[in-house]
Amino acid sequence: DTGVSQDPRHKITKRGQNVTFRCDPISEHNRLYWYRQTLGQGPEFLTYFQNEAQLEKSRLLSDRFSAERPKGSFSTLEIQRTEQGDSAMYLCASSRLENGDTQYFGPGTRLTVL
Amino acid sequence: KQEVTQIPAALSVPEGENLVLNCSFTDSAIYNLQWFRQDPGKGLTSLLLIQSSQREQTSGRLNASLDKSSGRSTLYIAASQPGDSATYLCAVKDAYDMRFGAGTRLTVKP
Repeated sequence: DTGVSQDPRHKITKRGQNVTFRCDPISEHNRLYWYRQTLGQGPEFLTYFQNEAQLEKSRLLSDRFSAERPKGSFSTLEIQRTEQGDSAMYLCASSRLENGDTQYFGPGTRLTVL
Repeated sequence: KQEVTQIPAALSVPEGENLVLNCSFTDSAIYNLQWFRQDPGKGLTSLLLIQSSQREQTSGRLNASLDKSSGRSTLYIAASQPGDSATYLCAVKDAYDMRFGAGTRLTVKP
């Protein structure tokens, strides 16, 4: 499978716990994006990387959220001290600027905070 | 701040009809506009991407147009099929990020 993959697909956690999600982009893609989507809404941009550099971070992203992309390959998104309002689908996408920057999305990680 | 609006929020049509989905955006300084479909509980599938210098893109039964000056894009679906039932999202990319509309939920009835 050469698409974007995300792990885990579902995560249930208790309020106050830390969670970490992983995204593996399409191998030749140099850009990687994280989004959050709640029911009935379009995805909301969180942050993006070009290679290993984090170039943009939404003002809506609290300091409990951190993302990394070591070596410009896979990326992790960590949420510390989870709150019920963090419950959402977390989507990852990748693109290659030289190929027109079309974003290809993974299946998402659904987070439920109890 | 870029705002993206999609009208209608939901649309139901009989199989075989041609239909148009609308997307409007407030800031014309965009890099590109992309249309996606999303099936329930799933990720997004890219349908068409229109660069800011382009006016339209076509793929099979789908045709997307872009009018930057008026801040509008349309997605035309010809000869709709029940398998086209999904939520269709448009997204506008500018210098900072990509902003999505809330989507149009399309139901094509057999």
